[in-house]
Amino acid sequence: QVQLVESGGGVVQPGRSLRLSCAASRFTFSSYAMHWVRQAPGKGLEWVAVISYDGSDKYYLDSVKGRFTISRDNSKNTLYLQMNSLRLEDTAVYYCASSNNWNDVFDYWGQGTLVTVSS
Amino acid sequence: DIQMTQSPSSVSASVGDRVTITCRASQGISSWLAWYQQKPGKAPKLLIYVASTLQSGVPSRFSGSGSGTDFTLTISSLQPEDFATYFCQQTNSFPITFGQGTRLEIK
Repeated sequence: QVQLVESGGGVVQPGRSLRLSCAASRFTFSSYAMHWVRQAPGKGLEWVAVISYDGSDKYYLDSVKGRFTISRDNSKNTLYLQMNSLRLEDTAVYYCASSNNWNDVFDYWGQGTLVTVSS
Repeated sequence: DIQMTQSPSSVSASVGDRVTITCRASQGISSWLAWYQQKPGKAPKLLIYVASTLQSGVPSRFSGSGSGTDFTLTISSLQPEDFATYFCQQTNSFPITFGQGTRLEIK
């Protein structure tokens, strides 16, 4: 059973930084593109970023471009999201998810980690 | 960006009912449309991809159809475990976008 486990969420002040991690197990992590998707409290799903299986290609939602950086360490089976200059509107549960290709559907999801940006 | 619009936003139905949810894309997306189910406090679960292909393990009472800009998700006979929120998603182009969700409630 594929397992994706996010960590690193918490409460942070506007303008500060946070790094999320997503540890993968029981699948060939290095063969899959990986995404971050967020969901503000009581709201819908919003795709945030994607990284190709080898880390060579990345795409971002416009509203996070220049502030967030997606990366991966295939030797550690771990995905990251470095979030800088956080804003109130970044408050959400952040999920990592896998896909066969970087523009493919999300077949496995983690349980999510809550990021709260508050002064 | 491609906007995805679902209707209705919420629907009440009874066990055994047939329910249809629609999703409209702001421009053509061929068949690059997926449906997810989300229960409270849980991650979304993939149900259908490329508009009509059932993900492994998903019950056959779920079906999807459509292409271009108009798509539907149908649940043929609602079961108690189907009461949840459903999202459509387009993967035709970046940014990947989702519909706003349809909440399926027990009548």
